[in-house]
Amino acid sequence: DVKVTQSSRYLVKRTGEKVFLECVQDMDHENMFWYRQDPGLGLRLIYFSYDVKMKEKGDIPEGYSVSREKKERFSLILESASTNQTSMYLCASSPLSGQAVHEQYFGPGTRLTVT
Amino acid sequence: AQSVTQLGSHVSVSEGALVLLRCNYSSSVPPYLFWYVQYPNQGLQLLLKYTSAATLVKGINGFEAEFKKSETSFHLTKPSAHMSDAAEYFCAVRAYSSASKIIFGSGTRLSIRP
Repeated sequence: DVKVTQSSRYLVKRTGEKVFLECVQDMDHENMFWYRQDPGLGLRLIYFSYDVKMKEKGDIPEGYSVSREKKERFSLILESASTNQTSMYLCASSPLSGQAVHEQYFGPGTRLTVT
Repeated sequence: AQSVTQLGSHVSVSEGALVLLRCNYSSSVPPYLFWYVQYPNQGLQLLLKYTSAATLVKGINGFEAEFKKSETSFHLTKPSAHMSDAAEYFCAVRAYSSASKIIFGSGTRLSIRP
């Protein structure tokens, strides 16, 4: 069974802290994604990685960075957390080829609150 | 630019009634379209997808969607709602700038009345 796991379900951080959100997938997928989900806005892509050490900015990359040192792990970093980064963060992965090429598999999400 | 528009941020139906969630897309190339579902406190999971084969697509849990090019629509239906269908539903389209990216709609929350 495919699985995407995220390091925390709930996280509370203070303004200015450096925050790491970790995502691990066990499906050997090439692509990995970080989204944030806000009411009424759907999912917005923050960053996308199509291979180890390769990344591409999404629609809202400002205030975020990412790291992909291993194929199975994709980290989202908030360099200096701000209250407007309070949100639900979703990680996803997808294969580069095959029948499921256009399907993304999601983790359960991390609800981050910045105070 | 590609986009999807979901009509109605919240839809409420009675148990046993027809479920209809509306989605219209904008794409200058033949689209690949998806419906995802998010149950409370969970991530998204794929309900069904259209990839230019049959225009009527069947998904999991009794849902189906019909691709109508003339109406640029991909509405999601289920003949008889069940309490367990209460969730948020997202329509999405593959981005032509990258075959791996998906553009999501803003979501429709489905409530089921007993």
